[in-house]
Amino acid sequence: DSGVTQTPKHLITATGQRVTLRCSPRSGDLSVYWYQQSLDQGLQFLIQYYNGEERAKGNILERFSAQQFPDLHSELNLSSLELGDSALYFCASSVGRGPPTDTQYFGPGTRLTVL
Amino acid sequence: EDQVTQSPEALRLQEGESSSLNCSYTVSGLRGLFWYRQDPGKGPEFLFTLYSAGEEKEKERLKATLTKKESFLHITAPKPEDSATYLCAVQAIPKDSSYKLIFGSGTRLLVRP
Repeated sequence: DSGVTQTPKHLITATGQRVTLRCSPRSGDLSVYWYQQSLDQGLQFLIQYYNGEERAKGNILERFSAQQFPDLHSELNLSSLELGDSALYFCASSVGRGPPTDTQYFGPGTRLTVL
Repeated sequence: EDQVTQSPEALRLQEGESSSLNCSYTVSGLRGLFWYRQDPGKGPEFLFTLYSAGEEKEKERLKATLTKKESFLHITAPKPEDSATYLCAVQAIPKDSSYKLIFGSGTRLLVRP
């Protein structure tokens, strides 16, 4: 158990809908990262937050957004869902202050299925 | 562009048959190289971090090494429970204050009893 929690574990929804994925980082970690893992793309970085502020964006679609709250949990919002958004979404957390403390620990993931 | 390539894509071993997995990388500046293990439908599990060429780390039957262009994950006398996908990721010296990881596509290891 990495200490990172994600809810829900599974999500099945229809095209055009909007969903919210939630992540609680390990105690003491200030950085939260979101990754998408699909069969053809592997693990792709989406976005990073550090202590409530957006730090970096990767290949995140405009239909997707995220935020980190004062208690450091994070939410990833996916809207106008398409079939191609079906994937595993992982949250990872780290202390965020640099080596050797910047190892990212991953949560169990949320499996999103868009029908 | 920063890139990570892992080989082979898949590897089948007999229990006790040692082997190595390769991770070659191209980054503008390496901050760290990470190895993770991932079981089907689960999140990646952290194994090792390597920071500089020549560094080695060991954990049970696994040993990770790092050169300036690649990393190896050596598996000595593997057991069936070592079957998983092994992911390599690099963290480049950030241009945007990000510590994001760039992942390879992984090596699927199957160890037969």
